[in-house]
Amino acid sequence: KNQVEQSPQSLIILEGKNCTLQCNYTVSPFSNLRWYKQDTGRGPVSLTIMTFSENTKSNGRYTATLDADTKQSSLHITASQLSDSASYICVVSSYGNNRLAFGKGNQVVVIP
Amino acid sequence: GAGVSQSPSNKVTEKGKDVELRCDPISGHTALYWYRQSLGQGLEFLIYFQGNSAPDKSGLPSDRFSAERTGGSVSTLTIQRTQQEDSAVYLCASSRPGTEYEQYFGPGTRLTVT
Repeated sequence: KNQVEQSPQSLIILEGKNCTLQCNYTVSPFSNLRWYKQDTGRGPVSLTIMTFSENTKSNGRYTATLDADTKQSSLHITASQLSDSASYICVVSSYGNNRLAFGKGNQVVVIP
Repeated sequence: GAGVSQSPSNKVTEKGKDVELRCDPISGHTALYWYRQSLGQGLEFLIYFQGNSAPDKSGLPSDRFSAERTGGSVSTLTIQRTQQEDSAVYLCASSRPGTEYEQYFGPGTRLTVT
């Protein structure tokens, strides 16, 4: 079973609208959680990183939340733009483990 | 360059041929990782280098896959006798000492086996 589950798998939204992507994880002991954005044909690029004590972190129109008790994170995209069309990957790291646990990604398509 | 670079960006090869994929990590990054990303799937860990040694190569799917790293820098991933199921994007990432969670990814090599 994948240690990081993301939903929805894909979604289409109108330009200018908001959307929220979900990430649930079972990784333990938890170290930190990152959201990456991967444009088609490109490598993933880090958007945010959150540690155990952080509940929310923003990067421009992207806002990530973390609930370490329920092991859930979300990524909220505000006022979406066409350039937001990409795959958003939730990545969780564990103390003492050099391997990262990757979700399969949320595929977002923004249409005009 | 400032980022992780990979070459080639695209590779089309015939089934049964060998291929070599190259990764040039960020200068000073001692850790290097290879991942495979198949269509619609998450990133699949292949191998991890710390310097020139590979303490974790458990993700390599078969003995047709091998990787090496020389001079603590450039790494090559070799796939022998390619099969169609090897078609995927192969991503390389690197990180600074002690920050394995902060991986910087290259653009990937898209491998197509016909």
